[in-house]
This record gives sequence, C-alpha cells and structure tokens, in this order.
Amino acid sequence: SQKIEQNSEALNIQEGKTATLTCNYTNYSPAYLQWYRQDPGRGPVFLLLIRENEKEKRKERLKVTFDTTLKQSLFHITASQPADSATYLCALGGDNYGQNFVFGPGTRLSVLP
Amino acid sequence: DAGITQSPRYKITETGRQVTLMCHQTWSHSYMFWYRQDLGHGLRLIYYSAAADITDKGEVPDGYVVSRSKTENFPLTLESATRSQTSVYFCASSDYRDSALHFGNGTRLTVT
Repeated sequence: SQKIEQNSEALNIQEGKTATLTCNYTNYSPAYLQWYRQDPGRGPVFLLLIRENEKEKRKERLKVTFDTTLKQSLFHITASQPADSATYLCALGGDNYGQNFVFGPGTRLSVLP
Repeated sequence: DAGITQSPRYKITETGRQVTLMCHQTWSHSYMFWYRQDLGHGLRLIYYSAAADITDKGEVPDGYVVSRSKTENFPLTLESATRSQTSVYFCASSDYRDSALHFGNGTRLTVT
C-alpha cells in the first residue's frame, strides 16, 4: 500500500537558518506533489505544487525539490522566522485523483528566536 | 465571504447517535473531500466527490455516509457514532485535478 513518511515529527531550528523538511514515499508514482502548512486549530493551507517533470519550484523563501528516482521531496524555508513555526504536510496526487490524493503525517517545525 | 465553511466547529455526541457535519463552499469547485485527522495517522480520506451526485470512498469510509445533491454542499453523516470516530474532521475543495485543496477549519467531534 502507499506510504508517505516525513523526516521527523518535530524539527527545531534557530531563526535565520534554513529549515529542510523531507517527504519520502513508497508504492506510489505521483504525478505531482504539494506542500501545505497547518497551524493549530486550523485547516491546512496550500503552499506549493511541483509536478513529476519538474525538479525544483520556488516561491519567495520557499523551495521545493522533487526527485522521482529517490521518491523524495525536500521542502526548504530559507531565512526562517518564528512565524514559520507550524506543521508542514506533504501530499501526493496522481491517477484516480481524489481517492489517491494522500497526505503525509506532517513535521512540526519550531523556529526559535 | 467566499470560502469553505464547516459547521459545527465543535460537537459532543453519544455513542449510537446519528451526527451530520456540514460543509459549504462558495467557489463552485468540482471536487470536495472529507478527511479525518488523528494523532499518529495524519489526514486520512473518508470520502470524496468529483461533482454533484458523484461520490466515492476513500481510505476509511466505514461508518460514514455522504451526499452531494448540490455542488456547494457536501455533508458527512455518521449513522451510528462510535468512540473511534472521535476526531477532527476537515472538509476541502478543489476546482480541478492537481490544483490546491482549500480546507475548512475543521469540526472537532467527540463521541462519549
């Protein structure tokens, strides 16, 4: 069955550093991958989408890479700020959209001042 | 305001009761989803809908019923609530394949 893993449950980094979050998957060939941010008591909010034929995507301080050979995506937040503290979720989608749109367990990022 | 709204925000019910969680979106998105989020499991898909009158099961559909008579509404019904259905439920919508999902702020359901 499909399995998605995110590097760790929690990640603490110092303000100003680059946070790197990992999303690994098995038994899946996604056509695209998305990253979401979730704050406590709120629903996830979409951040970035990257397709299988794209290696890298950027948006302001965010960068996502997608390596279909390694079955891995890396999500980077540069110049991190305490306001970046949240849980970050990766999600994979592909054929049979809907049923096969699945989320990883998330990584809780804390940026320390 | 445009968006996706869920109601109620919090609900406590007893085992065996029927409960309906409401979801309404104002974008006319084709796709709508119901997820549950539990510690240790993350977000798991319960049901989804590709259009009005088209619904399909997700990963954990047992004990739940959905309907979608109108594009904008996608209610989720627990026919006979069990304690294992205590969770936070999120509704989401998207307008086409591979587009972003837009989530509501969830319903926290407790079954006693």
